[in-house]
This record gives sequence, structure tokens and C-alpha cells, in this order.
Amino acid sequence: GENVEQHPSTLSVQEGDSAVIKCTYSDSASNYFPWYKQELGKGPQLIIDIRSNVGEKKDQRIAVTLNKTAKHFSLHITETQPEDSAVYFCAALGASGTYKYIFGTGTRLKVLA
Amino acid sequence: DSGVTQTPKHLITATGQRVTLRCSPRSGDLSVYWYQQSLDQGLQFLIQYYNGEERAKGNILERFSAQQFPDLHSELNLSSLELGDSALYFCASSLQEGPEAFFGQGTRLTVV
Repeated sequence: GENVEQHPSTLSVQEGDSAVIKCTYSDSASNYFPWYKQELGKGPQLIIDIRSNVGEKKDQRIAVTLNKTAKHFSLHITETQPEDSAVYFCAALGASGTYKYIFGTGTRLKVLA
Repeated sequence: DSGVTQTPKHLITATGQRVTLRCSPRSGDLSVYWYQQSLDQGLQFLIQYYNGEERAKGNILERFSAQQFPDLHSELNLSSLELGDSALYFCASSLQEGPEAFFGQGTRLTVV
């Protein structure tokens, strides 16, 4: 069935370093890939997304890359700051005709000051 | 603030009981999605409504049901509650049929 694998499950980086989170999806029909940031006690917040006709998208310190052939997409955060500490979820839009997001299992990012 | 409002924020109830969770989507959004987030399952899609009609169904138990009203708010009804139903329940909304979805703050349900 549809599946999204996300790695790593936890990630600790020093402030100022870069962080990379990787996801792999199974449904080749997926065409939209959002990333969400979830802080403690809050709902997931959409931080960046990418569509299947684009290979890379950047927004200030965050970027997302997509390799459709390999069915991989990654989140890159540069110059990390303590406020980047949160759980990050990748997702893929499921089978065409529905809007069922399939979420990865999450990555807990800790930025050490 | 995403603009999606969920009530209540917290709910504690006993096994066997029934509860209703409420979601008001962002102004102008026609689609509402419900997700369940538990520690060992991540974010699991339950159901989607678009302009009052059910559009997609995920791993939603038969004890659970939802609806979207003419004013576009949605309710998720959970009945015959079990301890394992304890989780965070999130509502998300999107313009028309997506894809960008914005989440509310969630309802934390504790079944004791």
C-alpha cells in the first residue's frame, strides 16, 4: 500500500550547522510533497512544499529537493537556530483522485545552542 | 495561527462513552480533513469532506463518524471509546480540494 518512510527519527545538530531529513514514498502517482513542522502542543505547520514538476525549492534557510525517479525528497535547513527545534513531518499526496496525505513518522530535530 | 479552529482543546472521558470534536475551517476553505496522531502511529488520515460531501476515507473505525455542515464546519464523532482511542485529533482545511492543507491546534482526547 501507500507508504512514506522518513529518516532519521531523531537528529541533533549544533546551532549554525545544517540539518537534512530524508523521505521516500511508494506511490509513483504522488505529485505533491509538503513538509510540516510541529512544535510541542501545537498542530503541524506547513513550512514548505514541492510539486512533482519541480526538482528543488528554496525559502530562506529551508529548501526541499525531489528526485522523482528514485521517489526521494529531502528537507534541508541551513544555519540552524534553537527555534528550529521541533518534530518535522514529510508527506506525500496519495493516489490521484483523493487528497489523502500519507505522512512520514516524523523527525525530532534538536538544535543545540 | 493557521485559521483552523478546533474545540475542545482537551477532553477526558471514560471508556464506552461518546464524544464530539468540532472543527471550523479557514475562511473560504471548502475541504476538511481529520487526522489522528498517536505516539506509535504518527499522523493517520481518517476522512476528508469537501463542501459537505465525503471525498476520501482512510483508516477510520466504524465507531467513528464525521460530517460537514452547510456552514462548512465539521464534527468528528467517536463512540464506544476504548483506551486505545486516546490520541491527538487534528483537523485540517484547504481551499477547494487542496493540496495545501493547514492544521488546527488539535484536540487531545484521553480515555480513562
